[in-house]
Amino acid sequence: EAGVAQSPRYKIIEKRQSVAFWCNPISGHATLYWYQQILGQGPKLLIQFQNNGVVDDSQLPKDRFSAERLKGVDSTLKIQPAKLEDSAVYLCATCRRLNTEAFFGQGTRLTVV
Amino acid sequence: AQSVAQPEDQVNVAEGNPLTVKCTYSVSGNPYLFWYVQYPNRGLQFLLKYITGDNLVKGSYGFEAEFNKSQTSFHLKKPSALVSDSALYFCAVRGLTGGFKTIFGAGTRLFVKA
Repeated sequence: EAGVAQSPRYKIIEKRQSVAFWCNPISGHATLYWYQQILGQGPKLLIQFQNNGVVDDSQLPKDRFSAERLKGVDSTLKIQPAKLEDSAVYLCATCRRLNTEAFFGQGTRLTVV
Repeated sequence: AQSVAQPEDQVNVAEGNPLTVKCTYSVSGNPYLFWYVQYPNRGLQFLLKYITGDNLVKGSYGFEAEFNKSQTSFHLKKPSALVSDSALYFCAVRGLTGGFKTIFGAGTRLFVKA
């Protein structure tokens, strides 16, 4: 079974620029999460999809962050404009059912300068 | 509100000794509970989970965890630590109400000394 694929692996941008991250889940996994992990901290949930519908986005800074899940499969997370404090690893995770574990991608390390 | 607490930033243990990494949680209703491990420059890897049934669950690499509903805890344990167990460990809780979102603790760094 192929894992969760994320791209790019690394991204360096200047503040106020925009950036997008892409996630391809494991086939058949209905639930998809985006997390932000700042160095030395635990993953912080940004948004959760169930198929192509948003279940929770209460921690997503909606003035600058947006996310969508196309046809309930691939997902993109966008930041526009980026701030220095957005520097973090952005993790995508998916799970098949709500009583199963989530599988994580390798993450995208974003550095905002 | 749903939350997870890992009270220790770091746990130090000698190789061959038992280890415990603590986790307590707060959630409405019954929880699903998970432990993950993160090695440097690697993604999070699943170790074990509690969904229902036996309170003692066994997982990968000889790890186990005990679900204690009265104390709202899910501590990770291993009878004999290895140097290769040194890593960052995260506890996570998934509430069965409010969208089934999965919340992570801040993490505990385990250091096993040879």
